[in-house]
Amino acid sequence: DADVTQTPRNRITKTGKRIMLECSQTKGHDRMYWYRQDPGLGLRLIYYSFDVKDINKGEISDGYSVSRQAQAKFSLSLESAIPNQTALYFCATSDGANTGELFFGEGSRLTVL
Amino acid sequence: EDQVTQSPEALRLQEGESSSLNCSYTVSGLRGLFWYRQDPGKGPEFLFTLYSAGEEKEKERLKATLTKKESFLHITAPKPEDSATYLCAVRRWGGSEKLVFGKGTKLTVNP
Repeated sequence: DADVTQTPRNRITKTGKRIMLECSQTKGHDRMYWYRQDPGLGLRLIYYSFDVKDINKGEISDGYSVSRQAQAKFSLSLESAIPNQTALYFCATSDGANTGELFFGEGSRLTVL
Repeated sequence: EDQVTQSPEALRLQEGESSSLNCSYTVSGLRGLFWYRQDPGKGPEFLFTLYSAGEEKEKERLKATLTKKESFLHITAPKPEDSATYLCAVRRWGGSEKLVFGKGTKLTVNP
């Protein structure tokens, strides 16, 4: 099994729908992240969490919210999806000691029609 | 604003043909420069961290180097399994958890 698991892997939805992307990890890391990857724009940080009581906005948090349900679980929500949120979303973890060394999940491809 | 520019955007090599990928960066107070590999349909996989100019790291056919303005990922005698997109990222002091990623170089190694 993968150390960082994302569900769903693929999702097609319509404008205005609420969507949740889930992430769970077995690495025992405290720090978890959500990134978005768009062709030609690279990876951009949406939200990150140092522990269950600590949630921080990244560079593109507008239109997104997160929940850290447990040390191992970090979910990303789009309350009302819009087409420009169509992208590949990655969850990642780190152990805090070398926080540039991230362990990524395999991604969730979201299409908003 | 922190910036990372990778070149070339795409590179095709024959098996065994050595080359280098470039990562130019602008950051106020580099805390670390990171290289990742990303295969199609997968999440990025960590390769190296470099902290200061002059530092070098090696792993199999890959060698990463760092100067005050850029980093190179040297690929020696590449094999088809080295085909992937290589991402560079930087993190600065006082920048919280933000890693600024480049757009990547897509490497294709033909047999």
